[in-house]
Amino acid sequence: EPEVTQTPSHQVTQMGQEVILRCVPISNHLYFYWYRQILGQKVEFLVSFYNNEISEKSEIFDDQFSVERPDGSNFTLKIRSTKLEDSAMYFCASSVPGQGAPSYGYTFGSGTRLTVV
Amino acid sequence: GNSVTQMEGPVTLSEEAFLTINCTYTATGYPSLFWYVQYPGEGLQLLLKATKADDKGSNKGFEATYRKETTSFHLEKGSVQVSDSAVYFCALRGVNRDDKIIFGKGTRLHILP
Repeated sequence: EPEVTQTPSHQVTQMGQEVILRCVPISNHLYFYWYRQILGQKVEFLVSFYNNEISEKSEIFDDQFSVERPDGSNFTLKIRSTKLEDSAMYFCASSVPGQGAPSYGYTFGSGTRLTVV
Repeated sequence: GNSVTQMEGPVTLSEEAFLTINCTYTATGYPSLFWYVQYPGEGLQLLLKATKADDKGSNKGFEATYRKETTSFHLEKGSVQVSDSAVYFCALRGVNRDDKIIFGKGTRLHILP
């Protein structure tokens, strides 16, 4: 079964450093998403991406965050200057629209655990 | 806006007990409804879904019925196993193509042998 692949599985970074989280969505999917889950808390939407641009972003997704699809297969989330409160599990997901598109769930990757120290 | 409310955890049951995790939603129209499961140390996996009123989603012995009249999508399993210990998230996706999935807060389930 096709998978969404995320790398690395765990990243430790110093506060103020830039990090890039990488995702390879399912190849025929057209919508891409990032969510995050602070330890033990709710899964929160960050951003959706379609047709090479952001289609929606949440209040969490401020100027420190950016997304990119640099080469048609990877989908990256960059945090420019990490803060302690950015420590969380970050999930990438992809989805394919079609007839009855909203009935599609997303396929999630297994996540990247980001620890900011 | 759309929202999902699910029962607080943790829920602790003995093996072979009957499980219900309540989930209610607020949304316009007929959203699609999902249950996702997160096993320890792993990502989110789609457990089951329902896309219209009275649909029943089922998988691995779990079931949930889309009840429009009560705006509910409760998760049930007749006989739980230790391996069902996980966090369960109720979620919905609105009716528009660009609507994103939003999640409830999750319910942690512990099954005792």
